[in-house]
Amino acid sequence: DAKTTQPPSMDCAEGRAANLPCNHSTISGNEYVYWYRQIHSQGPQYIIHGLKNNETNEMASLIITEDRKSSTLILPHATLRDTAVYYCIVRWSQGGSEKLVFGKGTKLTVNP
Amino acid sequence: DVKVTQSSRYLVKRTGEKVFLECVQDMDHENMFWYRQDPGLGLRLIYFSYDVKMKEKGDIPEGYSVSREKKERFSLILESASTNQTSMYLCASSEGQSYGYTFGSGTRLTVV
Repeated sequence: DAKTTQPPSMDCAEGRAANLPCNHSTISGNEYVYWYRQIHSQGPQYIIHGLKNNETNEMASLIITEDRKSSTLILPHATLRDTAVYYCIVRWSQGGSEKLVFGKGTKLTVNP
Repeated sequence: DVKVTQSSRYLVKRTGEKVFLECVQDMDHENMFWYRQDPGLGLRLIYFSYDVKMKEKGDIPEGYSVSREKKERFSLILESASTNQTSMYLCASSEGQSYGYTFGSGTRLTVV
Protein backbone atom coordinates (compact mmCIF):
# COMPACT_ATOMS: atom_id res chain seq x y z
CA ASP A 1 0.00 0.00 0.00
CA ALA A 2 1.21 3.47 -0.79
CA LYS A 3 1.69 5.51 2.37
CA THR A 4 1.64 9.24 2.97
CA THR A 5 3.73 11.52 5.16
CA GLN A 6 2.37 14.77 6.59
CA PRO A 7 3.64 17.21 9.20
CA PRO A 8 1.90 16.55 12.51
CA SER A 9 0.76 20.13 13.01
CA MET A 10 0.59 23.55 11.33
CA ASP A 11 -0.67 27.01 12.21
CA CYS A 12 -2.24 29.57 9.95
CA ALA A 13 -3.58 33.08 10.45
CA GLU A 14 -7.25 33.66 9.74
CA GLY A 15 -7.79 35.03 6.23
CA ARG A 16 -4.45 33.77 4.95
CA ALA A 17 -3.89 30.79 2.68
CA ALA A 18 -3.18 27.48 4.38
CA ASN A 19 -0.83 25.22 2.41
CA LEU A 20 -0.75 21.65 3.67
CA PRO A 21 1.97 19.39 2.20
CA CYS A 22 1.90 15.65 1.71
CA ASN A 23 4.51 13.20 0.49
CA HIS A 24 3.44 9.99 -1.26
CA SER A 25 6.64 8.86 -2.92
CA THR A 26 5.50 5.24 -3.43
CA ILE A 27 2.28 6.11 -5.21
CA SER A 28 1.54 4.05 -8.29
CA GLY A 29 0.08 5.20 -11.56
CA ASN A 30 -3.57 4.38 -10.92
CA GLU A 31 -3.81 5.62 -7.35
CA TYR A 32 -5.72 8.80 -6.57
CA VAL A 33 -4.72 11.32 -3.92
CA TYR A 34 -7.58 12.23 -1.59
CA TRP A 35 -7.86 14.86 1.09
CA TYR A 36 -10.25 14.66 4.01
CA ARG A 37 -10.60 16.66 7.18
CA GLN A 38 -12.02 15.80 10.56
CA ILE A 39 -13.37 18.25 13.05
CA HIS A 40 -13.39 17.00 16.61
CA SER A 41 -15.96 14.26 17.33
CA GLN A 42 -17.29 14.19 13.77
CA GLY A 43 -16.76 11.79 10.89
CA PRO A 44 -14.16 12.74 8.25
CA GLN A 45 -15.37 15.10 5.55
CA TYR A 46 -14.33 14.78 1.92
CA ILE A 47 -12.48 17.83 0.54
CA ILE A 48 -10.98 17.08 -2.86
CA HIS A 49 -9.16 14.42 -4.87
CA GLY A 50 -6.98 14.16 -7.98
CA LEU A 51 -4.96 11.78 -10.10
CA LYS A 52 -2.47 13.81 -12.13
CA ASN A 53 -3.88 17.26 -12.80
CA ASN A 54 -4.38 20.07 -10.35
CA GLU A 55 -7.93 20.34 -9.08
CA THR A 56 -10.06 23.10 -7.58
CA ASN A 57 -13.48 23.11 -6.00
CA GLU A 58 -15.44 25.41 -3.71
CA MET A 59 -13.49 24.26 -0.66
CA ALA A 60 -9.87 24.00 -1.77
CA SER A 61 -7.26 23.51 -4.46
CA LEU A 62 -5.06 20.47 -4.90
CA ILE A 63 -1.64 20.79 -6.48
CA ILE A 64 0.04 17.51 -7.50
CA THR A 65 3.67 17.51 -8.60
CA GLU A 66 4.50 16.23 -12.05
CA ASP A 67 6.17 13.08 -10.68
CA ARG A 68 3.11 12.60 -8.39
CA LYS A 69 5.32 12.00 -5.38
CA SER A 70 3.89 14.89 -3.41
CA SER A 71 0.91 17.20 -3.28
CA THR A 72 -0.30 20.33 -1.52
CA LEU A 73 -3.77 21.16 -0.32
CA ILE A 74 -4.50 24.87 -0.41
CA LEU A 75 -7.27 26.53 1.59
CA PRO A 76 -7.20 29.99 -0.03
CA HIS A 77 -8.69 32.02 2.82
CA ALA A 78 -8.60 30.03 6.05
CA THR A 79 -11.30 30.64 8.66
CA LEU A 80 -11.53 29.56 12.28
CA ARG A 81 -13.92 26.81 11.20
CA ASP A 82 -11.14 25.27 9.11
CA THR A 83 -9.36 24.20 12.31
CA ALA A 84 -9.30 20.41 11.96
CA VAL A 85 -7.11 17.40 11.31
CA TYR A 86 -6.39 17.07 7.58
CA TYR A 87 -5.69 13.68 6.07
CA CYS A 88 -3.87 13.11 2.82
CA ILE A 89 -4.71 9.64 1.55
CA VAL A 90 -3.73 7.47 -1.36
CA ARG A 91 -6.53 5.27 -2.55
CA TRP A 92 -5.48 1.68 -3.09
CA SER A 93 -7.38 -0.54 -5.45
CA GLN A 94 -6.89 -4.03 -6.78
CA GLY A 95 -9.39 -5.82 -8.94
CA GLY A 96 -12.84 -5.01 -7.67
CA SER A 97 -11.84 -3.99 -4.18
CA GLU A 98 -10.38 -0.74 -2.94
CA LYS A 99 -9.73 1.07 0.30
CA LEU A 100 -8.40 4.26 1.82
CA VAL A 101 -5.26 4.05 3.91
CA PHE A 102 -5.26 6.84 6.47
CA GLY A 103 -2.12 8.30 7.99
CA LYS A 104 -2.06 10.39 11.14
CA GLY A 105 -2.84 13.64 9.39
CA THR A 106 -1.91 17.27 10.03
CA LYS A 107 -3.61 19.17 12.82
CA LEU A 108 -4.25 22.62 11.36
CA THR A 109 -4.96 25.42 13.81
CA VAL A 110 -6.32 28.65 12.34
CA ASN A 111 -5.59 31.54 14.68
CA PRO A 112 -7.56 34.81 14.90
CA ASP B 1 -28.54 15.33 1.03
CA VAL B 2 -26.79 11.97 0.87
CA LYS B 3 -26.26 10.20 4.15
CA VAL B 4 -24.49 7.46 5.99
CA THR B 5 -26.31 6.76 9.22
CA GLN B 6 -24.86 4.89 12.16
CA SER B 7 -27.45 3.53 14.53
CA SER B 8 -25.93 4.74 17.79
CA ARG B 9 -23.82 7.76 18.68
CA TYR B 10 -22.74 6.39 22.06
CA LEU B 11 -22.79 2.79 23.30
CA VAL B 12 -21.67 1.14 26.53
CA LYS B 13 -21.33 -2.65 26.63
CA ARG B 14 -19.94 -5.20 29.03
CA THR B 15 -16.94 -7.42 28.40
CA GLY B 16 -17.98 -10.62 26.67
CA GLU B 17 -21.18 -9.21 25.16
CA LYS B 18 -21.94 -9.61 21.47
CA VAL B 19 -22.19 -6.15 19.94
CA PHE B 20 -23.76 -5.08 16.67
CA LEU B 21 -22.93 -1.75 15.07
CA GLU B 22 -25.24 -0.87 12.23
CA CYS B 23 -24.59 1.38 9.26
CA VAL B 24 -27.06 2.36 6.54
CA GLN B 25 -26.42 4.44 3.41
CA ASP B 26 -29.04 5.89 1.10
CA MET B 27 -26.82 6.52 -1.93
CA ASP B 28 -26.95 3.07 -3.58
CA HIS B 29 -23.18 2.81 -3.16
CA GLU B 30 -21.40 -0.45 -3.93
CA ASN B 31 -18.57 -0.05 -1.42
CA MET B 32 -18.86 0.19 2.34
CA PHE B 33 -16.21 0.34 5.04
CA TRP B 34 -15.71 0.08 8.78
CA TYR B 35 -12.88 1.98 10.47
CA ARG B 36 -11.93 2.47 14.08
CA GLN B 37 -10.21 5.59 15.33
CA ASP B 38 -7.99 5.78 18.40
CA PRO B 39 -5.88 8.66 19.74
CA GLY B 40 -2.40 8.60 18.26
CA LEU B 41 -3.25 5.81 15.82
CA GLY B 42 -5.54 7.58 13.39
CA LEU B 43 -8.14 5.70 11.37
CA ARG B 44 -7.57 2.01 10.79
CA LEU B 45 -9.57 -0.14 8.40
CA ILE B 46 -11.32 -3.14 9.96
CA TYR B 47 -13.36 -4.59 7.08
CA PHE B 48 -14.77 -3.46 3.78
CA SER B 49 -17.31 -4.74 1.30
CA TYR B 50 -17.61 -4.01 -2.40
CA ASP B 51 -20.83 -5.90 -3.02
CA VAL B 52 -23.69 -7.58 -1.23
CA LYS B 53 -22.49 -10.66 0.66
CA MET B 54 -18.87 -9.82 -0.21
CA LYS B 55 -16.34 -8.80 2.42
CA GLU B 56 -12.62 -8.19 2.64
CA LYS B 57 -10.40 -7.96 5.69
CA GLY B 58 -8.79 -4.65 6.35
CA ASP B 59 -5.73 -3.99 8.47
CA ILE B 60 -7.13 -4.99 11.87
CA PRO B 61 -9.94 -7.56 11.43
CA GLU B 62 -9.15 -9.64 14.52
CA GLY B 63 -12.04 -9.78 16.96
CA TYR B 64 -14.53 -8.47 14.40
CA SER B 65 -16.83 -9.82 11.73
CA VAL B 66 -19.18 -8.12 9.29
CA SER B 67 -22.43 -8.76 7.48
CA ARG B 68 -23.73 -7.27 4.22
CA GLU B 69 -27.06 -8.89 3.40
CA LYS B 70 -28.46 -5.82 1.65
CA LYS B 71 -26.67 -3.20 -0.40
CA GLU B 72 -27.59 -0.33 1.88
CA ARG B 73 -26.63 -1.96 5.19
CA PHE B 74 -23.22 -2.98 6.52
CA SER B 75 -23.01 -4.33 10.05
CA LEU B 76 -19.94 -4.68 12.25
CA ILE B 77 -20.07 -7.44 14.85
CA LEU B 78 -17.95 -7.81 17.94
CA GLU B 79 -18.43 -11.47 18.81
CA SER B 80 -17.19 -11.07 22.39
CA ALA B 81 -16.46 -7.47 23.29
CA SER B 82 -13.22 -6.71 25.08
CA THR B 83 -11.96 -3.53 26.72
CA ASN B 84 -9.35 -3.01 23.96
CA GLN B 85 -12.23 -2.58 21.52
CA THR B 86 -13.25 0.63 23.24
CA SER B 87 -12.97 3.10 20.38
CA MET B 88 -14.71 5.41 17.93
CA TYR B 89 -16.13 3.37 15.04
CA LEU B 90 -16.71 5.04 11.69
CA CYS B 91 -18.67 3.68 8.75
CA ALA B 92 -18.20 4.98 5.20
CA SER B 93 -19.50 4.30 1.72
CA SER B 94 -18.36 5.15 -1.79
CA GLU B 95 -19.42 4.68 -5.36
CA GLY B 96 -16.01 3.69 -6.66
CA GLN B 97 -12.41 4.61 -7.32
CA SER B 98 -12.92 8.10 -8.66
CA TYR B 99 -15.46 9.19 -6.08
CA GLY B 100 -15.09 10.40 -2.52
CA TYR B 101 -16.13 8.54 0.58
CA THR B 102 -19.03 9.67 2.72
CA PHE B 103 -18.57 8.97 6.41
CA GLY B 104 -21.13 8.56 9.15
CA SER B 105 -20.94 10.54 12.37
CA GLY B 106 -19.38 7.65 14.26
CA THR B 107 -20.28 5.43 17.21
CA ARG B 108 -18.27 5.86 20.37
CA LEU B 109 -18.20 2.41 21.96
CA THR B 110 -17.06 1.87 25.53
CA VAL B 111 -16.54 -1.69 26.75
CA VAL B 112 -16.47 -2.01 30.53
